[in-house]
Parts: sequence; C-alpha cells; structure tokens
Amino acid sequence: LAKTTQPISMDSYEGQEVNITCSHNNIATNDYITWYQQFPSQGPRFIIQGYKTKVTNEVASLFIPADRKSSTLSLPRVSLSDTAVYYCLVGDTSPPNNAGNMLTFGGGTRLMVKP
Amino acid sequence: GAGVSQTPSNKVTEKGKYVELRCDPISGHTALYWYRQSLGQGPEFLIYFQGTGAADDSGLPNDRFFAVRPEGSVSTLKIQRTERGDSAVYLCASSSPGVQGYNEQFFGPGTRLTVL
Repeated sequence: LAKTTQPISMDSYEGQEVNITCSHNNIATNDYITWYQQFPSQGPRFIIQGYKTKVTNEVASLFIPADRKSSTLSLPRVSLSDTAVYYCLVGDTSPPNNAGNMLTFGGGTRLMVKP
Repeated sequence: GAGVSQTPSNKVTEKGKYVELRCDPISGHTALYWYRQSLGQGPEFLIYFQGTGAADDSGLPNDRFFAVRPEGSVSTLKIQRTERGDSAVYLCASSSPGVQGYNEQFFGPGTRLTVL
C-alpha cells in the first residue's frame, strides 16, 4: 500500500490561500491521488482527484510534480467554513483487487481557519 | 437526490450484546464500503463489497465482525459479543464506476456506537 504523510495540523486566516502537501514516496504507476474533507460529526467528502500535473475544480486545485512522490492541495481564499480535517489518499481506482489501496486514510491534516 | 443513509444514527449497547448497523447506499452504486473511525483518527477500512459479494474483507478486525449485502444494495454490519473497544463511528460509503474507475466515494453520516 502506498503510505501517505501529511502535516498533523495547519492554521490559516480567512481570505488566505492554503496549501497542504502530502508525501507518497512509494506511489505506484496505476495509483491516483485523492483528497477528502471531513467536518465534525460528518462523513468525509470528496474534494479532488488527480494523476499528474494540475487538476482544478470549483473548490480546489491539486498540484502533482512529475515524479508524483508528493501532491499539494490548494484551497484559494479560505473561509471559516473550511475548518476541517483533510485527508490524502493514494491508490488504484480500478476494482476489485486494488480497492484496498484506495481506502487508507491516515491521520489527515487538521486545518483551522481563524477570523 | 438521496445520499447514503445510515441507521441508527446512535446506538448504545452493553458489553457482550449483538448489534446491527444498516447502510442504504446511493441507488445504482455497485460498490459499498464500511469504515470505522475512532475519535481523532482517520477512517479505518473494514470491508468492501462489489455487488453482493465481499471483494475485500481484510479490514475486519476479528470474527466478531461480519457484513452482508444480500441484494447488492442495502448492507448490514453485524457485531457479535460487543466490546468496549468497538465503540467508534461506523461509516458507510458507496461509489459507482466512472471514467477513471471507482474514483469518488460518497459517505453517509455514520452510526455512533457506544459499548458500555
């Protein structure tokens, strides 16, 4: 299984850009990188997924360097409501034999956005 | 549309009792996952269903835990002889194949299990 390492916590202020980096040195060729967000008392929510270079959607961007050994989730202009835990997952999205690779959440990064 | 639902939202039981936790996935989603989350930790994988069959049950901690999905939709997680260490939030998620395989999991709100 591709293991991920993220900072335990981060602080930011409203309106700032936040970048959370995840290390995954033993990522495999078929592995994708996926980020989830979790608020207290709720299940995780999918944010973004990518394989290489840059992916952008309405809520975030994901930057992946050429060696794919790390990735950075970028949240533009955060607000108080972005305070949550962010998880980086790495694995093969094709079922069924590799499903377990997608399912290792790790400890996540606790983002605290301050006014 | 309706998301993943889980019942009950809270369950308090006594040590040694049997409990069942139910998950209703999003209609049409063929993949279903169970996780367990302890306070301050990330979700821990328990079991994954593809249709009616358990494609990967390597996360079940021991034989007291069992899950079924008899018709490929609703799933039930069953815990026998509960122990205090089983106390956690049990999360269910479902997904369907997309362009890149099963890429997004949709999670339910979880069932908070407390074993006294």
